[in-house]
Amino acid sequence: TQLLEQSPQFLSIQEGENLTVYCNSSSVFSSLQWYRQEPGEGPVLLVTVVTGGEVKKLKRLTFQFGDARKDSSLHITAAQPGDTGLYLCAGARSSSYKLIFGSGTRLLVRP
Amino acid sequence: GAVVSQHPSRVICKSGTSVKIECRSLDFQATTMFWYRQFPKQSLMLMATSNEGSKATYEQGVEKDKFLINHASLTLSTLTVTSAHPEDSSFYICSARDGQAADTQYFGPGTRLTVL
Repeated sequence: TQLLEQSPQFLSIQEGENLTVYCNSSSVFSSLQWYRQEPGEGPVLLVTVVTGGEVKKLKRLTFQFGDARKDSSLHITAAQPGDTGLYLCAGARSSSYKLIFGSGTRLLVRP
Repeated sequence: GAVVSQHPSRVICKSGTSVKIECRSLDFQATTMFWYRQFPKQSLMLMATSNEGSKATYEQGVEKDKFLINHASLTLSTLTVTSAHPEDSSFYICSARDGQAADTQYFGPGTRLTVL
């Protein structure tokens, strides 16, 4: 059973389009992280959100943590081919340092 | 940012042999390291939590006698895949928790294991 469900699983869009990736769970997390991973490499941390309702921006990327700290979203504005990769959300519980990874969203941005 | 290295980056071995993978935190001390495996086009699955100076904690379904973990120092954890079989072929990734940065984990570049 995947505790963190991401949608969509795969997204292929044209350069310049906007997109949103969702990360949903029935569990509450003390923090949630978003990573991007390229083939053959380890995940790279994009952002950590901690407070319910928190919104963080990283250039064209906007991250939001749900009010109840059970879900999160990643919105990319004007996607570029360099945004292509596997996007992973990961939740941490206050009782443990373990990260629970979402199922992943594979993004392809076509030039 | 913090750097975590893994060695080797890729290894090919024969079925039945053992393979050791090293994970090092290069510029911080990591009391806790984590080992993940990732199959093609899938997400990361946590295998075990490695604590410096104590036994590793394994996730359900992970055989501790097959995946030996040693965390002998604050900067090094090793994963040994014993008696490897083709089904053990996977991408193994470690992460190290920076105790000075709360829940932040820094990931290594991964090790591609192929068992023939």
